[in-house]
Amino acid sequence: NAGVTQTPKFQVLKTGQSMTLQCAQDMNHEYMSWYRQDPGMGLRLIHYSVGAGITDQGEVPNGYNVSRSTTEDFPLRLLSAAPSQTSVYFCASSSGGLDIQYFGAGTRLSVL
Amino acid sequence: GQQVMQIPQYQHVQEGEDFTTYCNSSTTLSNIQWYKQRPGGHPVFLIQLVKSGEVKKQKRLTFQFGEAKKNSSLHITATQTTDVGTYFCAGREGNDMRFGAGTRLTVKP
Repeated sequence: NAGVTQTPKFQVLKTGQSMTLQCAQDMNHEYMSWYRQDPGMGLRLIHYSVGAGITDQGEVPNGYNVSRSTTEDFPLRLLSAAPSQTSVYFCASSSGGLDIQYFGAGTRLSVL
Repeated sequence: GQQVMQIPQYQHVQEGEDFTTYCNSSTTLSNIQWYKQRPGGHPVFLIQLVKSGEVKKQKRLTFQFGEAKKNSSLHITATQTTDVGTYFCAGREGNDMRFGAGTRLTVKP
């Protein structure tokens, strides 16, 4: 059972480039979310989804887009990367609402 | 909006000493969760508290939820080197979940 899988594990971008961070879960969880983790600031919610076709903004959504076409996948898109988006990104899923969240291993992103 | 504050930011203890981290919310929470993140790893769920005044124990770890459901604490008795990591609280108010900044625990053997 893979749980929550994130790819890639590491990525370096130049300012202005675009990319998609992939997240997939095989637990049939309805709720999925994206967080960014910066030193001294804990985890901040970027976007979340309560089911296929439904997404909503979290605490820090600017500069990021998401879509949820299937229950399993919840990609995070950076349309024009900025140095302020250098961070560690975690995807998480849970079986209902905002209950126990299972996190992926994370993507470490650097924007130069 | 909801703010979740966690103290201390860092704690260094000698193995065998106790450790406590505190979490305070600016608003009343539906529940509070605690996660542990090992260095270089991802957050792993430890426990969820829902009821006012609730106390739960997991071996050497004791979790409390305040009577007003605005604060919580995690206490570790007789720390071990395996306890090293960052402990996060996460508070839920409706659909809004906010994480504290975490307490990084280091343990000297």
